[in-house]
Amino acid sequence: SQKIEQNSEALNIQEGKTATLTCNYTNYSPAYLQWYRQDPGRGPVFLLLIRENEKEKRKERLKVTFDTTLKQSLFHITASQPADSATYLCALHSGNTPLVFGKGTRLSVIA
Amino acid sequence: KAGVTQTPRYLIKTRGQQVTLSCSPISGHRSVSWYQQTPGQGLQFLFEYFSETQRNKGNFPGRFSGRQFSNSRSEMNVSTLELGDSALYLCASSTGTSVYEQFFGPGTRLTVL
Repeated sequence: SQKIEQNSEALNIQEGKTATLTCNYTNYSPAYLQWYRQDPGRGPVFLLLIRENEKEKRKERLKVTFDTTLKQSLFHITASQPADSATYLCALHSGNTPLVFGKGTRLSVIA
Repeated sequence: KAGVTQTPRYLIKTRGQQVTLSCSPISGHRSVSWYQQTPGQGLQFLFEYFSETQRNKGNFPGRFSGRQFSNSRSEMNVSTLELGDSALYLCASSTGTSVYEQFFGPGTRLTVL
């Protein structure tokens, strides 16, 4: 069955550093990979979508890579700020198939 | 544009009861998906409705059901509640095209006693 693993449940990082979160998957060949941010008590918020034929995508301080050979996506937040503290979820899908989510990584940016 | 709304926000029920949750999608969105979120299992897909038809279904028992109305509003129902049904139930809407981002509501926190 499809399996998505996000590298760790929690990640602590110092303000100003680059946070790198990992999403690995098995038994799946997704056409699209998405990253969401979720704050406590709230629904996830969409951040970025990357297609299987794209290697990298950027949006402001965010950068996502997608390596279909390694079956891995890396999510980077540069110049991290305490306001970036949240849980980050990766999700995979192909066409009109449902999104399959990882369990998330809780990021804490320490001032 | 108003976001996705879910009602009620909090609900307490007892085992054996049934519950109905409601979701109003973003105007113009034809797809509504429902998810269950628990600390142990994360976000798990329940079902998706597109133009009043169930398009996808997750691996949940038949006690979980849903429907979508002509105005794209959706409801999900859980019958014969079990303690393990305690969770945050999230609704998400999208345009429903093959490449889509999902817009989530704030969720309904269901507690089963």
